[in-house]
Amino acid sequence: EVQLVESGGGLVQPGGSLRLSCAASGFTLTNFDLHWVRQVPGKGLEWLSAIGIVGDTFYSGSVGGRFTISRDDAKNSLYLQMNNLRVEDTAVYYCARDSQGIDVWGKGTTVIVS
Amino acid sequence: DIVMTQSPLYLPVTPGEPASISCRSNKSLLHSDGNTFLDWYRQKPGQSPQVLIYLASSRASGVPDRFSGSGSGTDFTLKISRVEAEDVGVYYCMQALETPITFGQGTRLDIK
Repeated sequence: EVQLVESGGGLVQPGGSLRLSCAASGFTLTNFDLHWVRQVPGKGLEWLSAIGIVGDTFYSGSVGGRFTISRDDAKNSLYLQMNNLRVEDTAVYYCARDSQGIDVWGKGTTVIVS
Repeated sequence: DIVMTQSPLYLPVTPGEPASISCRSNKSLLHSDGNTFLDWYRQKPGQSPQVLIYLASSRASGVPDRFSGSGSGTDFTLKISRVEAEDVGVYYCMQALETPITFGQGTRLDIK
């Protein structure tokens, strides 16, 4: 079964760091562009970052310089290193695969900055 | 950044009736390769988003043919020919022409 499973969320103080992980199964990460998207509960979707097939990276203005996306091909996993966290970073964080649209989403991991 | 604007933001629909959601961008989403980078997603309560339509009018795998996407340039529409109870959720348009990728505010579809 094709799926993505996020982990690494939790409670962190402002200014702290977290590293989110996203484990892929049923497909090879390196064959796809990959994204991180977050959602404040009850609010809309916010795109954060992407990594392309060739390893090129992209960031939104709200997280650029604080967050770093990376991929471990051997572990078939995607990561989001989040530094200098702010209260407004509190959200559910989704990793997702880009194929025909963003066609595979994880269930999300919750980050609370307080 | 490309701004995506959806309307309406709330859409109550009677089962069996059609529904339509509009999405406008402040920049054409037509790429030089001929593709239009506009997707539609639905997020059911308590679930992750699900792609419905990609490249403005291509139905994603497994999506019922009740769903259709149309439009070009800056104006797009998602249509549901006959709404069913399972269609309840929030619908988002998303532009993937350039980063940062941006979403519309979301349209909440409820059953009357």
